[in-house]
Amino acid sequence: DIVMTQGALPNPVPSGESASITCQSSKSLLHSSGKTYLNWYLQRPGQSPQLLIYWMSTRASGVSDRFSGSGSGTDFTLKISSVEAEDVGVYYCQQFLEYPRTFGAGTKLELK
Amino acid sequence: QVQLRESGPGLVQPSETLSLTCTVSGFSLTSYGVNWVRQPPGKCLEWMGVIWGEGNTAYNSLLKSRLSISRDTSKSQVFLKMNSLQTEDTAIYFCARDNYGSHFDYWGQGVMVTVSS
Repeated sequence: DIVMTQGALPNPVPSGESASITCQSSKSLLHSSGKTYLNWYLQRPGQSPQLLIYWMSTRASGVSDRFSGSGSGTDFTLKISSVEAEDVGVYYCQQFLEYPRTFGAGTKLELK
Repeated sequence: QVQLRESGPGLVQPSETLSLTCTVSGFSLTSYGVNWVRQPPGKCLEWMGVIWGEGNTAYNSLLKSRLSISRDTSKSQVFLKMNSLQTEDTAIYFCARDNYGSHFDYWGQGVMVTVSS
């Protein structure tokens, strides 16, 4: 199985500052199609996860442009510019290259 | 609009079988896959399995011997059945729509299942 490893944030993050969350995969997620099968989700407290980014850097419909995804085949970053109160929660990366679809352990963002 | 809603018993006895239903609206089960994902209290997300639009399935190998996913397209419902439940299976169970093999674009609100005698 592909192992997804997420980094921690130096919480709490001051409101208005930027935050970067890292994720590393044990195998390259670059597909033969040229797309990288890495997704990001945010799970706000008490809610189900919501899709933020797919194919490593494509924002999902309705997602603020304060969120951006980047990376290579195995190392990825989700950047949140100007953190707001609604950004609080746990962020998960997920690989979609192979079964089983595996998630990282999550990175918690707290606001100062 | 696209919606998914999980339903099922909140409490299951150890060694018994869990049966959950995911009722969808706003899309056809013959066009999109539906996944099951679970989350033990305070822990991270675990993918369980998927049923595709064509009706074929894929399962997490760790659960495959106990898990079955099926559907009734006429009722827009997807079913999860998992036997031999143990306390470690206590979790929130989510269903999520699979967007053509690239990401989960819509999720249900989840249903909490507690395995306890």
